[in-house]
Amino acid sequence: QSALSQPASVSGSPGQSITISCSGSSSDVGGYKYVSWYQQHPGNAPTLMIYEVTSRPSGISNRFSGSKSGNTASLTISGLQAEDEAYYYCSSYSSTTNTAIFGGGTKLTVL
Amino acid sequence: QVQLVQSGSELRKPGASVKVSCKASGYIFNTKSLVWVRQVPGQGPECMGWINANTGDTTHAQGFTGRFVFSLDASVSTAYLQINNLEPGDTGVYYCAREILRFDYWGQGTLITVSS
Repeated sequence: QSALSQPASVSGSPGQSITISCSGSSSDVGGYKYVSWYQQHPGNAPTLMIYEVTSRPSGISNRFSGSKSGNTASLTISGLQAEDEAYYYCSSYSSTTNTAIFGGGTKLTVL
Repeated sequence: QVQLVQSGSELRKPGASVKVSCKASGYIFNTKSLVWVRQVPGQGPECMGWINANTGDTTHAQGFTGRFVFSLDASVSTAYLQINNLEPGDTGVYYCAREILRFDYWGQGTLITVSS
């Protein structure tokens, strides 16, 4: 069982917006700014999409945005495109383990 | 551009050892820590720990102590993960990634299969 909780799957049609949640505790998501989101296509390494809750690395589309409220972080993808279909993982620093912990992943299907 | 290039897949028997390399390029090697991450098929990644590329100091996550050794050779900008006394449960894809808590660049992954 992963330390952070994510929905197993979400879906949306092209052009729509979707949001993926990532629930933790005050010892991780709720207590620190170190929440990141990764996109992973099957057979490939993860790609950093969001770091420090809301920041986007250079080259990542502004269709991807992050937020946090309490112990839950969220990734929103607007204007869904076929190439967004992938697994998405959240991660956070955890003071319990003094390392980064990950969620179990969410499979995004673009209908 | 930043690149992390890992060594190829490995097949080992239980009890054996394996060493995975991660060669960095495109940035000053000793300015960023390198993290090791394991991903079992169908599961989320797990942070195994990291090595400070400047000092060589290592930090191991719970469950990745003892048999798991992080090292580096700064002269060739390469980090290493060695796993000793392999168990079938060690089977998975092992990634190196740059920068603790951000993981901004990842290697392509190394599949390690432990089977008799």
